[in-house]
This record gives sequence, structure tokens and C-alpha cells, in this order.
Amino acid sequence: EAQVTQNPRYLITVTGKKLTVTCSQNMNHEYMSWYRQDPGLGLRQIYYSMNVEVTDKGDVPEGYKVSRKEKRNFPLILESPSPNQTSLYFCASSFGDSLNYGYTFGSGTRLTVV
Amino acid sequence: ILNVEQSPQSLHVQEGDSTNFTCSFPSSNFYALHWYRWETAKSPEALFVMTLNGDEKKKGRISATLNTKEGYSYLYIKGSQPEDSATYLCAPSGDSWGKLQFGAGTQVVVTP
Repeated sequence: EAQVTQNPRYLITVTGKKLTVTCSQNMNHEYMSWYRQDPGLGLRQIYYSMNVEVTDKGDVPEGYKVSRKEKRNFPLILESPSPNQTSLYFCASSFGDSLNYGYTFGSGTRLTVV
Repeated sequence: ILNVEQSPQSLHVQEGDSTNFTCSFPSSNFYALHWYRWETAKSPEALFVMTLNGDEKKKGRISATLNTKEGYSYLYIKGSQPEDSATYLCAPSGDSWGKLQFGAGTQVVVTP
């Protein structure tokens, strides 16, 4: 089944403890992206990647890191999480410049930083 | 950061009625316009991607139009059904395919 898989689905962590949220897609998509969703603010882009080893900042990159060492994986790293990073996170992937398909989203990761 | 506005914020529709709502975005530096449907407790699902001025796309009872010169897109739902209840998001990309800017969405509630 074609899908974007995020892990974990739920995570509660403490301030300052490094964590990684994994994202993997099995559709050979070039583009991958991370978003966070907060009440009243909608989906905001954190980082995106156009291909292996090519990444760029979205609108809210502060406090996050990403890497794209393989085409299928695009992990989101929080080096020192803070409570303001408590949010619902989505990973998404897409073929580049496809006129027929938009982005396929993962199921989401609900992160709580205490 | 693009200024993306969706209106109305929410609307209630009787089953069988048709409805439409708007996405406004800067007309300069336009690359593509995406529409997504987001049901509660699920993930956003792609509906349409449009790039050309005057584009019209249709998927079942849902259709969309695009005006890049004036910076707006309409999404139409014909003969609304309860399963159409969802938040509909638009997302223009101003620079490239990768950089999407989502609007806050229009929440549609269809009552039987």
C-alpha cells in the first residue's frame, strides 16, 4: 500500500531531551515536507526537501533539523525540545511538479513537551 | 510568507444543497494552487492541483476553478452530503513545488 509512515504517533517528552520523529514513504517521491498544526494557526511548513541531500527551510524552522540521506526517509529532529514545540506534526511527500497529485500525508505525530 | 485567506471560516449546509467558498492568495509569484480535504481525526487528503489561469478541475461532486490574475480560487460542492463534512484547505506555492503555504481552511458541516 502506498503510504507515508510516521513514528511515533504519540510522544510525551521532557524539555531538552533530544528526539527524532521518523518519516518514510514507499512511493519514490522526490519531495518531502514537515508541517506542524496548532489551533488557530493552521498547517505551517517547517522544512521541505526536493531530493536526497537537498533541503530548505519552511516558515517555522527554528528549533528543528532535518536530513535526507535516502530518498524514502525524512526524519525531523528536535535537538532540545521546548514546550512551545508541543504540536501535531505531519510529514508529507509528493512527486515533483505533478499536475495530477498533490501531497500524500502521514497519520500525524502528536508531541507533548513538558 | 504568502498571505493566504480562506472565506468563510465555516459554513453549515443542508444535505442536498450546493455551496462554494473562496481561497485568496497573492497573484504575483504564483506557481501552483493545491486544495486538500481534512476530515476530523484523519490526515489531509489531496483534492486538486491547479497551475494555469482558468483551470477547472472536478472530482465527483466537488470542483474548483482558478484565477491567477486576480489571485483567487473557488471550490464548489454540488448536492452536499454528510460525508462532505470536513475542513477544506487551500495551499498556494509561490516559489516552487516544495514550498506550500496553507490557508486556515473552511470548515463545512453538512446536516441531514
